[in-house]
Amino acid sequence: GQNIDQPTEMTATEGAIVQINCTYQTSGFNGLFWYQQHAGEAPTFLSYNVLDGLEEKGRFSSFLSRSKGYSYLLLKELQMKDSASYLCAVMDSNYQLIWGAGTKLIIKP
Amino acid sequence: GAVVSQHPSRVICKSGTSVKIECRSLDFQATTMFWYRQFPKKSLMLMATSNEGSKATYEQGVEKDKFLINHASLTLSTLTVTSAHPEDSSFYICSARDAGPEVGEQYFGPGTRLTVT
Repeated sequence: GQNIDQPTEMTATEGAIVQINCTYQTSGFNGLFWYQQHAGEAPTFLSYNVLDGLEEKGRFSSFLSRSKGYSYLLLKELQMKDSASYLCAVMDSNYQLIWGAGTKLIIKP
Repeated sequence: GAVVSQHPSRVICKSGTSVKIECRSLDFQATTMFWYRQFPKKSLMLMATSNEGSKATYEQGVEKDKFLINHASLTLSTLTVTSAHPEDSSFYICSARDAGPEVGEQYFGPGTRLTVT
């Protein structure tokens, strides 16, 4: 079956760095997405990785290793507004998104 | 960036009535739209995939007669929850994929909070 695993909850301090991991087992692979979702709102797109390596976009970076079925989202210089759920999703061979359950990130002052 | 709207944002209805939710891509053409349901503190659950001009493809366990999906144009898809029950109360989110390349990000609507009393 298809499976996406990510931690349920993480806590970090304002100004620090946090890494959210995601491992996956899917039928086919056409890219991995990270989304941010604030409570009561729809997800917003953060990053897309289809090749191995690190993609950097401002304070956020995303890494992918296809051979290991592994990705992480790195958030630097954490701000209180970064408190949200972070969803990892993999596009399978049918071009459908398979979603992880999300990681709730709590930022403390 | 691309914008997807949903209407209404919130709706409260009585048990047994039907509710229609609209999803529109405002500045691009979407050959494919997706309907998701999200339960509290859980991930998004894909309900169905709709392609313009054809019948929607429903995920296993989703009742097609209860959740009617219509994708009549390249910019509009509708989800109708028929004979709603309290257990249908949820957050419904649509997303649209640009008519361009097959692999690309999906643009999400803001979601519709449905409460069935």
